Amino acid sequence: GQQVMQIPQYQHVQEGEDFTTYCNSSTTLSNIQWYKQRPGGHPVFLIQLVKSGEVKKQKRLTFQFGEAKKNSSLHITATQTTDVGTYFCAGSGTYKYIFGTGTRLKVLA
Amino acid sequence: NAGVTQTPKFQVLKTGQSMTLQCAQDMNHNSMYWYRQDPGMGLRLIYYSASEGTTDKGEVPNGYNVSRLNKREFSLRLESAAPSQTSVYFCASSEHTGGGTEAFFGQGTRLTVV
Repeated sequence: GQQVMQIPQYQHVQEGEDFTTYCNSSTTLSNIQWYKQRPGGHPVFLIQLVKSGEVKKQKRLTFQFGEAKKNSSLHITATQTTDVGTYFCAGSGTYKYIFGTGTRLKVLA
Repeated sequence: NAGVTQTPKFQVLKTGQSMTLQCAQDMNHNSMYWYRQDPGMGLRLIYYSASEGTTDKGEVPNGYNVSRLNKREFSLRLESAAPSQTSVYFCASSEHTGGGTEAFFGQGTRLTVV
């Protein structure tokens, strides 16, 4: 079945450092979404990418969809303690939203 | 705005007991989902309902049943709980299934089976 993998599984950074998480699908995706889950919380939608090669920015966050629509990345510039949480990508497929395994980000002040 | 409401928030069950997790959304969404979240496993889809009156299996349906009671409500039932079902359960809803519309999640139910 369709799988969506994310790397790394964990990342610890010093406040102010950059952070990137990568999402890879075994099949071509029609679109990809990104969610953030704060510790003890529930996933919250961040953004959706639809077009091949699409790049979108939200303040310090940059999202990219690969040319082949099988991978995506989320880059955070100059991390802050408020960025702590787990970031999930989700691709649409047979089982609708197929979530990646997530990357847990810890920011050290 | 309530969004997606799940009850209960916490539950401890003994092996073999049954229980139903309740979920309701007030956004007039067509599609609803149940996920379980285990450490290092991300969110895995248990069942989903594309629209009122339909339900379909997701990635990990064994040991669970669902009911789409009406457009607002989607319940998840554990008939005979097992320790392997210890997890955090999330209900979600979206305007339609698949991509194109964002999913809204409930606060989660933390279930422990002893």
